[in-house]
Amino acid sequence: DADVTQTPRNRITKTGKRIMLECSQTKGHDRMYWYRQDPGLGLRLIYYSFDVKDINKGEISDGYSVSRQAQAKFSLSLESAIPNQTALYFCATSDRLADSTDTQYFGPGTRLTVL
Amino acid sequence: TQLLEQSPQFLSIQEGENLTVYCNSSSVFSSLQWYRQEPGEGPVLLVTVVTGGEVKKLKRLTFQFGDARKDSSLHITAAQPGDTGLYLCAGEENNAGKSTFGDGTTLTVKP
Repeated sequence: DADVTQTPRNRITKTGKRIMLECSQTKGHDRMYWYRQDPGLGLRLIYYSFDVKDINKGEISDGYSVSRQAQAKFSLSLESAIPNQTALYFCATSDRLADSTDTQYFGPGTRLTVL
Repeated sequence: TQLLEQSPQFLSIQEGENLTVYCNSSSVFSSLQWYRQEPGEGPVLLVTVVTGGEVKKLKRLTFQFGDARKDSSLHITAAQPGDTGLYLCAGEENNAGKSTFGDGTTLTVKP
């Protein structure tokens, strides 16, 4: 089984709808991240969490919110989806307790289309 | 916000050729990672470098971290079609626990 899973893998929705993307990990890592990727671009950080009670905004947090329900679960919500939020979304984890670097492990991604 | 510039953006070569891709910044990194991403999948870690001047090898891939820890390169020897993918570098500044990603180099190796 994959260490970092994301659900759903694909989602098509309409403008104005609320959407939740979920991420779960079995790696036991303390830190979790949400990124979006647009064609021809790298990954841009939306939110990150160092532990259940420590959540931080990334460079593009507007229009998004997150919840760290447990150490293993980190969900991303789009309160009112708009077309320019159409993108690939990736969840990632890192283990700062065991590794002093920011090496990250990624899920398979969610392809979101907002019509 | 630190900016990571990767070059070239696109690279198309024949099987057996050598290539180098670059990752440059004006910022100093406490650690830098290289990832490889295939279509429809998440990035997969290739290597982490932390020491200025460090060189790491992974089979036909050689990674170098600049002496000042501001830049890095990835050299592939005798490229194979299986090396095709998007190569991303990511740098962490000041042990902040978050990284900035470059826009990537899309490599295509033709048989």
